[in-house]
Amino acid sequence: DAKTTQPPSMDCAEGRAANLPCNHSTISGNEYVYWYRQIHSQGPQYIIHGLKNNETNEMASLIITEDRKSSTLILPHATLRDTAVYYCIVRSGSGNTPLVFGKGTRLSVIA
Amino acid sequence: GAVVSQHPSWVICKSGTSVKIECRSLDFQATTMFWYRQFPKQSLMLMATSNEGSKATYEQGVEKDKFLINHASLTLSTLTVTSAHPEDSSFYICSARDRGASGGELFFGEGSRLTVL
Repeated sequence: DAKTTQPPSMDCAEGRAANLPCNHSTISGNEYVYWYRQIHSQGPQYIIHGLKNNETNEMASLIITEDRKSSTLILPHATLRDTAVYYCIVRSGSGNTPLVFGKGTRLSVIA
Repeated sequence: GAVVSQHPSWVICKSGTSVKIECRSLDFQATTMFWYRQFPKQSLMLMATSNEGSKATYEQGVEKDKFLINHASLTLSTLTVTSAHPEDSSFYICSARDRGASGGELFFGEGSRLTVL
């Protein structure tokens, strides 16, 4: 079973920041938080991951709470092309373990 | 990011036939690849872990004799759906990790949509 809880859906106005929350209260010390998204009928796309520090790349920012029990993915300026299902996944850092997908959050960016 | 390619993107076959789906890592080597299946409006479900040079590891409830996995090289894994039936119609997706990279991120193929008539 997935170890994360996400809202089933969210809306965001185009051009505004999209803040997607994720709860992972049972995360263990060696587990990372990964975010992926899946646009309709495509394979999942890697967005970002982190252990305990906040992370930023060209796609998004990841804010992890100090107790690591929750995190927020931020898309700073959402566009219509960001409409997708976003998955928050916790996974050990060994690298050779699979990703276990939950139901994710369906983000709809509205013009 | 690293590129994973699947072929074919979509396939239609008759019931009882076998279908092979290829998953290739184009610019990196992968000792481990993962196969997923996704039914409409559902999330991805892990089917099996494909290990280069050894037998695949299947998740509970996935028939290893029906879903044959071969990982003969560091850049290619294949999934063969044997004696396909309409209930096998699904979106099949593979993923792989660059064994030479320090990060643990997995990269996914574009997916292969199988329709069994």
